[in-house]
Amino acid sequence: DAGVTQSPTHLIKTRGQQVTLRCSPKSGHDTVSWYQQALGQGPQFIFQYYEEEERQRGNFPDRFSGHQFPNYSSELNVNALLLGDSALYLCASSSGLAGGGETQYFGPGTRLLVL
Amino acid sequence: EDKVVQSPLSLVVHEGDTVTLNCSYEVTNFRSLLWYKQEKKAPTFLFMLTSSGIEKKSGRLSSILDKKELFSILNITATQTGDSAVYLCAPNSGGGADGLTFGKGTHLIIQP
Repeated sequence: DAGVTQSPTHLIKTRGQQVTLRCSPKSGHDTVSWYQQALGQGPQFIFQYYEEEERQRGNFPDRFSGHQFPNYSSELNVNALLLGDSALYLCASSSGLAGGGETQYFGPGTRLLVL
Repeated sequence: EDKVVQSPLSLVVHEGDTVTLNCSYEVTNFRSLLWYKQEKKAPTFLFMLTSSGIEKKSGRLSSILDKKELFSILNITATQTGDSAVYLCAPNSGGGADGLTFGKGTHLIIQP
């Protein structure tokens, strides 16, 4: 049973560029959440997708956008990259049926470096 | 605004010692509290706590929640070098969606 997978594992971009990160949830899960983790900090919630819609959003600017596909996989897009966007981006999947409060399982993350 | 404070932020102990990690929180519409272990990249799930006073146990790890005082502790007995990691706690506020609010974590180092 495959767990949460993410691609790519590492990425280097320059300021002003755009990036797309991808996530496939654990089998049987339909909800995908994205987190940004800066060095030495805990993960910060970006947004969550359920039934192909953004269900909840954290305190991140509109440069951060996402999408969920019918097969529950998800993309995170970041436009106009800033140096401060350098971080580990984590995807977590869960079951949305209970309406929240379910355990989230994390993927290995994508390490983004913005130069 | 939801708040999570973990203490200590870092801890160095010797193999065989017992450690207690603390997590205090303030969230609206509390549903559960989760503990994760993060070694290199992916946080791995340890416990989900929903009820006060009921200890959850997995091998040498155990955790308990106090919903009245708004805190949780994670205990690790007979520590091993493989327990070295960052331990993260995250209360889940549910309410139809469940973006987790994480603390900064406790960086635990077990010396042989």
